[in-house]
Amino acid sequence: DTGVSQNPRHKITKRGQNVTFRCDPISEHNRLYWYRQTLGQGPEFLTYFQNEAQLEKSRLLSDRFSAERPKGSFSTLEIQRTEQGDSAMYLCASSPPGVAGQNEQFFGPGTRLTVL
Amino acid sequence: QKEVEQNSGPLSVPEGAIASLNCTYSDRGSQSFFWYRQYSGKSPELIMFIYSNGDKEDGRFTAQLNKASQYVSLLIRDSQPSDSATYLCAGPMDTGRRALTFGSGTRLQVQP
Repeated sequence: DTGVSQNPRHKITKRGQNVTFRCDPISEHNRLYWYRQTLGQGPEFLTYFQNEAQLEKSRLLSDRFSAERPKGSFSTLEIQRTEQGDSAMYLCASSPPGVAGQNEQFFGPGTRLTVL
Repeated sequence: QKEVEQNSGPLSVPEGAIASLNCTYSDRGSQSFFWYRQYSGKSPELIMFIYSNGDKEDGRFTAQLNKASQYVSLLIRDSQPSDSATYLCAGPMDTGRRALTFGSGTRLQVQP
């Protein structure tokens, strides 16, 4: 399978714990995005990497959230001191090189986080 | 920041009919739009993108962009029960940005 992969697929944690998610993009894609989706809503943008550089961050990304893409390949998203409001599906997407207006993004299967 | 709005539905159509899904957006400068299909419990799947005014056809799907009216639509011909899903419209958050802003989706039900 050459699509975007994410691990774990499900994560249940207790409030206050830290969690880390991993995303492996499609191999020739240099751009990687993290989104969060709650029930009944569309995905909400969190952050965007071009290669290893984090170029955009949403104001939704509080200082409890941090994302990295150290070698321009896979990325990790860490949430510290989780809160019940962090419960959501965390989606990773990637897109190939190209002009800004042509930006097809392909999503991975997501990591569903439940904070108890 | 652009806003994208969709009717949440559900939109119910009989099998074999044309389903018409609509989306309006707030930014007149928007140049590109994307339609994603999302089955319950799954992640969004890109099914169509359109970068210029007019129509774009791909199999049973046609995307239509009307920049003057700030309106984008998706037509699904010969609807099948397997098309039953939530359809998300998305566009760049701002001109030149790569992050996408999504509508909340329209739930389509195709009745056999």
